[in-house]
Amino acid sequence: AQKITQTQPGMFVQEKEAVTLDCTYDTSDQSYGLFWYKQPSSGEMIFLIYQGSYDEQNATEGRYSLNFQKARKSANLVISASQLGDSAMYFCAMREGPGGSEKLVFGKGTKLTVNP
Amino acid sequence: NAGVMQNPRHLVRRRGQEARLRCSPMKGHSHVYWYRQLPEEGLKFMVYLQKENIIDESGMPKERFSAEFPKEGPSILRIQQVVRGDSAAYFCASSPRTRRTDTQYFGPGTRLTVL
Repeated sequence: AQKITQTQPGMFVQEKEAVTLDCTYDTSDQSYGLFWYKQPSSGEMIFLIYQGSYDEQNATEGRYSLNFQKARKSANLVISASQLGDSAMYFCAMREGPGGSEKLVFGKGTKLTVNP
Repeated sequence: NAGVMQNPRHLVRRRGQEARLRCSPMKGHSHVYWYRQLPEEGLKFMVYLQKENIIDESGMPKERFSAEFPKEGPSILRIQQVVRGDSAAYFCASSPRTRRTDTQYFGPGTRLTVL
């Protein structure tokens, strides 16, 4: 069963507008972590933001925020004031634990295009 | 503080040759993970190592693939007798500990092309 689902293969947004990238996950663990990574066309994987399952507040990092809805098992990434440099692939990932595997499980990604 | 280093960045091999991919974790990080990304796909876990120990190799193909993280030197992912299906981007990541909150930081990846 797929553990991380990103239902939007591609998204378009106008520069300076906000955009939400969807991510739903499946786990029976009570303790887990959710991550978002950005992969620009150059290919590297850039860490953006982390949300722990026990964190009561939604995570924020600059223009990135994570809309965490635990009951719905969703962890959507919100990018505010989009910039041209935000055009990239975005991957949602989950890490289970403690006691579970240390690996990250990734979704298939969403390709974001920011239009001028 | 240098990030995760991987070399080579690009590697071309003919079918049947061996590929060796190297990864130096961030300073202070003792946990190394290897992932593979096929075209148009997300990353898939291959193996998790600590110094001199393989902790989880559940994502490694049973044949031709091996990984090590010696006491001294980089972690090595070795692919013997490469086939065209091995063409992919191989990413290494490192983290300082194993708590669920610990972020894995990725290297730039090695793009392997098998002719």
